[in-house]
Amino acid sequence: EVQLVESGGGLVQPGGSLRLSCEASGFTFSDSWMRWVRQAPGKGLEVVAIIKQDGNEKYYVDSVKGRFTISRDNAKNSLYLQMNSLRAEDTAIYYCAKWDYWGQGTRVTVSS
Amino acid sequence: DIVMTQTPLALSVTPGQPASISCKSSQSLLRSDGRTSLYWHLQKPGQSPQVLIYEVSNRLSGVPDRFSGSGSGTEFTLKISRVEAEDVGLYYCMQTIQFPTFGQGTNLEIK
Repeated sequence: EVQLVESGGGLVQPGGSLRLSCEASGFTFSDSWMRWVRQAPGKGLEVVAIIKQDGNEKYYVDSVKGRFTISRDNAKNSLYLQMNSLRAEDTAIYYCAKWDYWGQGTRVTVSS
Repeated sequence: DIVMTQTPLALSVTPGQPASISCKSSQSLLRSDGRTSLYWHLQKPGQSPQVLIYEVSNRLSGVPDRFSGSGSGTEFTLKISRVEAEDVGLYYCMQTIQFPTFGQGTNLEIK
């Protein structure tokens, strides 16, 4: 059974940092492009970042470029999102996903 | 960026009746390998999204056959042949030919 389990969310002040993790199981993680997708309260879905199987290609939505970094550790079947210089508008549920499956999400709240 | 535009944004359907959602992309989603990078996702209330349809018309394993996808190029449609109560939620189209983007979402409710 495919599982994607996110962790690392929480409350952080504007300008602060958080590192999200996603532990994958039930499929060959190293064969899959992976993505982080967020959903702000009451809003739609937005892909934040994507990463190729070997980690050598990474792409970001414009609003997070220079602040967020996506990475992966195929030996640990894990995906990460380092989020720096957080803003109120980054408040959202962050989902780890592959092309055919989504995790349950982790909530990030940026507020003073 | 490719802009995905869904219509309608809200749909109220009597159980057993059909429903249809349109999705238009600002650029063609046809790849050089002949595949088309268009997906449909459903987010049921209080849940994370799930993939229903991939590459325009392929149902993911376990998705009921009352769901069907069609279209080509820049115009796509998701159809539900007979809506059931469990189909309520937000439906999103998504393209992956470039950096992935979603449509605004269509909220399906039951009359």
